[in-house]
Amino acid sequence: QKEVEQNSGPLSVPEGAIASLNCTYSDRGSQSFFWYRQYSGKSPELIMSIYSNGDKEDGRFTAQLNKASQYVSLLIRDSQPSDSATYLCAGTPGITGRRALTFGSGTRLQVQP
Amino acid sequence: NAGVTQTPKFRILKIGQSMTLQCTQDMNHNYMYWYRQDPGMGLKLIYYSVGAGITDKGEVPNGYNVSRSTTEDFPLRLELAAPSQTSVYFCASSYHPSGGTGELFFGEGSRLTVL
Repeated sequence: QKEVEQNSGPLSVPEGAIASLNCTYSDRGSQSFFWYRQYSGKSPELIMSIYSNGDKEDGRFTAQLNKASQYVSLLIRDSQPSDSATYLCAGTPGITGRRALTFGSGTRLQVQP
Repeated sequence: NAGVTQTPKFRILKIGQSMTLQCTQDMNHNYMYWYRQDPGMGLKLIYYSVGAGITDKGEVPNGYNVSRSTTEDFPLRLELAAPSQTSVYFCASSYHPSGGTGELFFGEGSRLTVL
């Protein structure tokens, strides 16, 4: 079982719609989660972090964490074509002891003009 | 401020050749990482370092070696290159350990092809 799992997509949404990206994790010891955005051919960049259960909002982005269900999500409101990218979910180490983030395989988002 | 600098950006190797991917950061970060990313996949951790002189294996360390003699540099050595090592390699650094802010600063990546 992968430690962090994401649907690879592509997830296609029309411009102005809400895009919902999901992630599940297997390591119950993971405490913090991060969403990185990666444009094609570029390196990942951090867009959201969440450390506790509930919602965290930053502009058009909302991250949600449910530790009981081991579920993390990212909502993008008013999606723009510039949001088209691969979104990587990452979690901090728990029982692995490894002091590095574990990444999911990413979800490709396509926003149609 | 250059951030994280990786060289080379592109390289083609023949099977069995060896090479070193260079990574330098000027942010005085203690933590440095090497990840590889295969097409359409996420990032897999190869090796990481929590400070000069200290390195540890990640998920996929076989076929690679690292060293960390200074805070700034974290080179990745590929010995006896194999086609399975064809990938994009990302070096990253962070000020806090991944139990902290989790913000990794990535280099631009090194695209390696083994033929």
